[in-house]
Amino acid sequence: EIQLLESGGGLVQPGGSLTLSCAVSGLSFSNYAMSWVRQAPGKGLEWVSGVSGSGGSTYHADSVKGRFSISRANSKNTLYLQMKSLRVEDTALYYCAKDIAEVVAAVGFEIWGQGILVTVSS
Amino acid sequence: SALTQPASVSGSPGQSITISCTGTSSDIGSFNLVSWYQQRPGEAPRLILYEVNKRPSGVSGRFSGFRSGSTASLTISGLQAEDEADYYCCSYSPTTTVDFGGGTKLTVL
Repeated sequence: EIQLLESGGGLVQPGGSLTLSCAVSGLSFSNYAMSWVRQAPGKGLEWVSGVSGSGGSTYHADSVKGRFSISRANSKNTLYLQMKSLRVEDTALYYCAKDIAEVVAAVGFEIWGQGILVTVSS
Repeated sequence: SALTQPASVSGSPGQSITISCTGTSSDIGSFNLVSWYQQRPGEAPRLILYEVNKRPSGVSGRFSGFRSGSTASLTISGLQAEDEADYYCCSYSPTTTVDFGGGTKLTVL
């Protein structure tokens, strides 16, 4: 069974930093692109960042570019999202998601974690 | 949102409904990389269609997709109570990489 388990969320002050992790099991991790998708309370889905299966290509939404960094450790089957200079508007449930393809092209996010809550507040 | 969906749609059990997703000639209009997600309250999203009209294993044949020009659509036939959920379209974009629609709330009357 394929499982994605996020961790590392919590409460952080504006301007602070946080690193999310997503532990993946049950598949050949390096064969698939991975993304982070967030959902603010009561709002819709917003794609945040994506990384190719090899880790060689990364992409970020304009709203987080320069502040967030996605990476992966294929030897550990783990995806990361390093978040800096956090803002109140970054408050959301953050999901990690496995793509159908090896490249980041929104082919289809076929497996999702349960999400981890990040709250940015003073 | 870069992709435009109606805020809400409704239908009675057994009927068919269609949800539209309008993008541009640069995203939906240029690529078959359109996917649809179902999200029930308190749950993670679930992929129900990818590459416009392909269904993942386990997804009911009542869900179908179509693309014409810069607009994609999701049709649910034989509406059931369990279909009540939020639905999101998603597309590849060469400028923003991935765009989601704002979501459509489906109510089964």
